[in-house]
Amino acid sequence: AQSVTQPDIHITVSEGASLELRCNYSYGATPYLFWYVQSPGQGLQLLLKYFSGDTLVQGIKGFEAEFKRSQSSFNLRKPSVHWSDAAEYFCAGRNTGGFKTIFGAGTRLFVKA
Amino acid sequence: GAVVSQHPSRVICKSGTSVKIECRSLDFQATTMFWYRQFPKQSLMLMATSNEGSKATYEQGVEKDKFLINHASLTLSTLTVTSAHPEDSSFYICSASRRGGPYEQYFGPGTRLTVT
Repeated sequence: AQSVTQPDIHITVSEGASLELRCNYSYGATPYLFWYVQSPGQGLQLLLKYFSGDTLVQGIKGFEAEFKRSQSSFNLRKPSVHWSDAAEYFCAGRNTGGFKTIFGAGTRLFVKA
Repeated sequence: GAVVSQHPSRVICKSGTSVKIECRSLDFQATTMFWYRQFPKQSLMLMATSNEGSKATYEQGVEKDKFLINHASLTLSTLTVTSAHPEDSSFYICSASRRGGPYEQYFGPGTRLTVT
């Protein structure tokens, strides 16, 4: 079955420290992959997406993600976290020929001063 | 571009009543719209997929008679929660895909439904 897994329920990092949020996918073929951020009580904002091509994807707000086919991973990174980055982060995948997006369980990011 | 709005942003209704939530694509034509439900501190669960002018496709376990979805135009889809009960209280999020691939989804801001 197709799935997207985020192994970390929550992560705490210090402001200014680097960040990596993990995401693994299980699909028959390489899916489209996405990272979204959600602030409390808000909708989802797209940070970045991978469709094909360059495996290192740049997104908004200084985020990037690297697609690694051999590891079935699409981890999100940021070199220096700001307090405003505290939020819920969702990794998602979708078949290239389909409509249904599958979301991971989410990772809650806490940023400490 | 690619803005999706939802109305209302939050609604409180009494048990047994029905409530309608609107999802609009403001600056593009959405051939496909999606409705998700999100419980507190949980991920998004797809409820149904709707294509303009045709019946919605519901996910397993979603009651189609309770959650009525209409996608009458390329810019509007509605979700009606009929005979609402407290367990229907949740955060409902819609998304829309525009014509052509690769079918990126644009999400609305969500609607908080509270049934008392």
